[in-house]
Amino acid sequence: AQSVTQPDIHITVSEGASLELRCNYSYGATPYLFWYVQSPGQGLQLLLKYFSGDTLVQGIKGFEAEFKRSQSSFNLRKPSVHWSDAAEYFCAVGAPGNAGNMLTFGGGTRLMVKP
Amino acid sequence: DVKVTQSSRYLVKRTGEKVFLECVQDMDHENMFWYRQDPGLGLRLIYFSYDVKMKEKGDIPEGYSVSREKKERFSLILESASTNQTSMYLCASSLVDSADTQYFGPGTRLTVL
Repeated sequence: AQSVTQPDIHITVSEGASLELRCNYSYGATPYLFWYVQSPGQGLQLLLKYFSGDTLVQGIKGFEAEFKRSQSSFNLRKPSVHWSDAAEYFCAVGAPGNAGNMLTFGGGTRLMVKP
Repeated sequence: DVKVTQSSRYLVKRTGEKVFLECVQDMDHENMFWYRQDPGLGLRLIYFSYDVKMKEKGDIPEGYSVSREKKERFSLILESASTNQTSMYLCASSLVDSADTQYFGPGTRLTVL
């Protein structure tokens, strides 16, 4: 069975600083990988996903993530954080070809942005 | 735009009550999901459905049941609510392929007293 670990429960960065959120997964083959963001009081919104091809994936709101098979990681990055990026971020893994498109989510990382 | 709506944003129920949470999607998606979200645990799958009247258990189905009588609607039922079911409940829908995006509703925060 697949699993996802987000080692950082909380992260605080200053506005304008760079950001990296860590995600490590466990799966026997190349998985499908997703990053979602949840703003306060909202549902989850997809930022980006990886399922094949180029290991550097561009998403919405200026985010990108890099799939590193050797490290079983899919870290999310942004070069310059804005105050509106304060939210909770979830990494998720899916198994290619599985019935029903089930995802396994990490525990989430809450991002706070200092002015 | 895909829209997933949930019947209530906030719900307060008493222990032992039967609770219905409803979810409707407007994009003709085959798959629908119910998750619960708890701090530090992320999202955990309760049940999913891949077609009308079809359902599969997720990771934490105990104490819950589901119903899908129409393609666009997926209901989560707590037969006898307990305090440990106090949580945020999120509904999602997607197309059938495992690479497809899941689209989420805004969530229902359920408190069981």
